[in-house]
Amino acid sequence: QKEVEQDPGPLSVPEGAIVSLNCTYSNSAFQYFMWYRQYSRKGPELLMYTYSSGNKEDGRFTAQVDKSSKYISLFIRDSQPSDSATYLCAMSALYGNAGKSTFGDGTTLTVKP
Amino acid sequence: GAGVSQSPSNKVTEKGKDVELRCDPISGHTALYWYRQSLGQGLEFLIYFQGNSAPDKSGLPSDRFSAERTGGSVSTLTIQRTQQEDSAVYLCASSTQVGATIDTQYFGPGTRLTVL
Repeated sequence: QKEVEQDPGPLSVPEGAIVSLNCTYSNSAFQYFMWYRQYSRKGPELLMYTYSSGNKEDGRFTAQVDKSSKYISLFIRDSQPSDSATYLCAMSALYGNAGKSTFGDGTTLTVKP
Repeated sequence: GAGVSQSPSNKVTEKGKDVELRCDPISGHTALYWYRQSLGQGLEFLIYFQGNSAPDKSGLPSDRFSAERTGGSVSTLTIQRTQQEDSAVYLCASSTQVGATIDTQYFGPGTRLTVL
């Protein structure tokens, strides 16, 4: 079983919809939770990160972490066609684990105009 | 400023040949990471460098894979006697330092390797 499981998608939504992307994990040592966005034939770029449980909001994006359930989510409000990409969740343990991140397999999102 | 660059962008090789993939990290970044991304999959950690040393080689799939970093800058990932299952996108990332509170990794565009 993988340490990080991500809803595989693909996901297709109309412009303006609210999108929910989710990951579960099994390693309780994970403390840092990240979401990356990857456009086709590009490297991933960091969208948001959170430390431990709670919510973090950045514009149209909200990252949510529930450590008790080992479940993280990324919400995208008022989705735009430019949000069409693959979204990867990633997690890492505390200092001392070299910041090495464990990634989910990604969810491909298409936002239709 | 310049981001992480990788070369070549695409590499097609025949089974059994050796290949070298290059990564130029962001200037001043001491940490450098190599990942592999197979089609439709997430990123698989291969190796990381802190400066020129590689404390964690646990992700290298086999002894055909090796990596080095010189001058705390450029890194080369070498795959010997390539196999078809080595076909993937190889991504390099760099960050300011290993073990920082949040290790924000900046990724290059990747090298797409195809082994025929």
